[in-house]
Amino acid sequence: GAGVSQTPSNKVTEKGKYVELRCDPISGHTALYWYRQSLGQGPEFLIYFQGTGAADDSGLPNDRFFAVRPEGSVSTLKIQRTERGDSAVYLCASSPSGTRYTGELFFGEGSRLTVL
Amino acid sequence: QKEVEQNSGPLSVPEGAIASLNCTYSDRGSQSFFWYRQYSGKSPELIMFIYSNGDKEDGRFTAQLNKASQYVSLLIRDSQPSDSATYLCAVFNPIIQGAQKLVFGQGTRLTINP
Repeated sequence: GAGVSQTPSNKVTEKGKYVELRCDPISGHTALYWYRQSLGQGPEFLIYFQGTGAADDSGLPNDRFFAVRPEGSVSTLKIQRTERGDSAVYLCASSPSGTRYTGELFFGEGSRLTVL
Repeated sequence: QKEVEQNSGPLSVPEGAIASLNCTYSDRGSQSFFWYRQYSGKSPELIMFIYSNGDKEDGRFTAQLNKASQYVSLLIRDSQPSDSATYLCAVFNPIIQGAQKLVFGQGTRLTINP
């Protein structure tokens, strides 16, 4: 597709369960970002990939959160032992990046996670 | 102190009037500034960016930057009901090693009243 694709669009899980959220960026975009957005708040940075490697994971809240991008395209955000406080919309964004950073991020529609 | 601060609103403006949205930031090394618009239940989309002090105009939108005051604003002229959305201010500092991220404010909810 032409845009950033995220699946699932909605996920309801129980406290303590494991969750995976998938992001398929725009073809050719080397930079990929995960943000988390709670109701009434702006997006909160989680992690940034340049290619296959996590260039900045300073926003991951704790070791229950992990993300991978093994082939430099699709990324998966993994959350272990989910807690009610993890409930939010998880936004993925990509950008062409490279050597010049423009700041324009192309966002997917998000994955809404609800932890009961 | 939050890195990027915005008044959460709601800001209510009559149709046809000028809407003024404000943002302050704490990192003096910030060099790029962005305004994203987010409709309810949708993802953010970029509407303006500015790098230099002064004004930048694009159609009905004007971004204003004052680095000395660490202040950036967005003006929307001839406001339309379709401008009703949350406006997110975002800031980028390219100098910090490895920190290739946009930092967002909490957003200002704007309502244009017909």
